[in-house]
Amino acid sequence: RKEVEQDPGPFNVPEGATVAFNCTYSNSASQSFFWYRQDCRKEPKLLMSVYSSGNEDGRFTAQLNRASQYISLLIRDSKLSDSATYLCVVRGMDTGRRALTFGSGTRLQVQP
Amino acid sequence: GAVVSQHPSWVICKSGTSVKIECRSLDFQATTMFWYRQFPKQSLMLMATSNEGSKATYEQGVEKDKFLINHASLTLSTLTVTSAHPEDSSFYICSASFGGGSYNSPLHFGNGTRLTVT
Repeated sequence: RKEVEQDPGPFNVPEGATVAFNCTYSNSASQSFFWYRQDCRKEPKLLMSVYSSGNEDGRFTAQLNRASQYISLLIRDSKLSDSATYLCVVRGMDTGRRALTFGSGTRLQVQP
Repeated sequence: GAVVSQHPSWVICKSGTSVKIECRSLDFQATTMFWYRQFPKQSLMLMATSNEGSKATYEQGVEKDKFLINHASLTLSTLTVTSAHPEDSSFYICSASFGGGSYNSPLHFGNGTRLTVT
């Protein structure tokens, strides 16, 4: 089983739509959670950290459910510029590693 | 602006040659940097953790003699792909943590190096 699992998509949505991505992680010792965005042939860029209480940044809302080991990202009022691959990322603590473990990403295509 | 700089952005080389990729942290010291590799349509896979002043820690399945890592200063780590072969063609990305390496600090990535071995 992969450490971080995401639905690969693609999600094709019209402009203005609300779209939600889900992610599950297998390591219960995971301590930190992030959503990154990756455009085609580019490096990942941090979209937002995910906090236990849930957090919002403009049109983006992230939620964490530790009991279910589940993370979500909600995008409201989708823009064309939101088209990208969204990576669910976790960092564990049990091995002392500070590297990140990436999901394979969910591709979003926002259409006019 | 960018906090991690990676060079070169792309390189094409012949099979059997070696390629060096540089990763620099800008305006901050990174005692630890990470090297990832991404094949088309796949997720980023951690190759190794680069530690300043000591040996790198390699992930299982990554050959340390083929992927040489040197982290000689607090702002520079290099990855050398030795005797490159076409199967080494990939997108190599380095990263470092701006927040002193605490667990809640996200990683910032270099712009990546697209290696094509012919």
